Amino acid sequence: GAGVSQSPSNKVTEKGKDVELRCDPISGHTALYWYRQSLGQGLEFLIYFQGNSAPDKSGLPSDRFSAERTGGSVSTLTIQRTQQEDSAVYLCASSSDTHGLTDTQYFGPGTRLTVL
Amino acid sequence: DQQVKQNSPSLSVQEGRISILNCDYTNSMFDYFLWYKKYPAEGPTFLISISSIKDKNEDGRFTVFLNKSAKHLSLHIVPSQPGDSAVYFCAASGNYGQNFVFGPGTRLSVLP
Repeated sequence: GAGVSQSPSNKVTEKGKDVELRCDPISGHTALYWYRQSLGQGLEFLIYFQGNSAPDKSGLPSDRFSAERTGGSVSTLTIQRTQQEDSAVYLCASSSDTHGLTDTQYFGPGTRLTVL
Repeated sequence: DQQVKQNSPSLSVQEGRISILNCDYTNSMFDYFLWYKKYPAEGPTFLISISSIKDKNEDGRFTVFLNKSAKHLSLHIVPSQPGDSAVYFCAASGNYGQNFVFGPGTRLSVLP
């Protein structure tokens, strides 16, 4: 079946511009996560959506970052007034979250963001 | 301050031998751990998990060991194959699957 998809796969933008990154989770998955991976670093948790609950935004690095999840499915991560340190691969993951302890996350291929 | 550490950035192993990837964590509240494999230009792929009620979980060539007192887990791959060459991430969660914290990864190279 279809996995997690993300678009665009690559995005180059100028410092100060806004960008939107899109994630289509696996159909039926109630949980959705955004991470980023900067060069040479591990995955950094950004935000977590679970069903209709208020999202866990504890990982967002600044108020320039925001995310929405419409209709419990597609999610958009928005970065306003981009800075060079925002350059990273942004990864989205989804999980079914029906078995608690076996909350395996399935990742998309990521969006590589380059801020010039 | 990294809560999940993978102190070996890279590891090389001969094909057929055992690969041992290590992961240490500092937060005693972590109770669920995952290992992911990542190829270049692809998202991470789930490999194997373990919860804190166990000290070992096995799936084919992959075995994860958890030592809670030492706050240490390891992934064993036996026998190692060239297709196992990838970056391996250890991840930990303190809330049964929410808010995973990832380590920086270890690049495994399996030499033919």
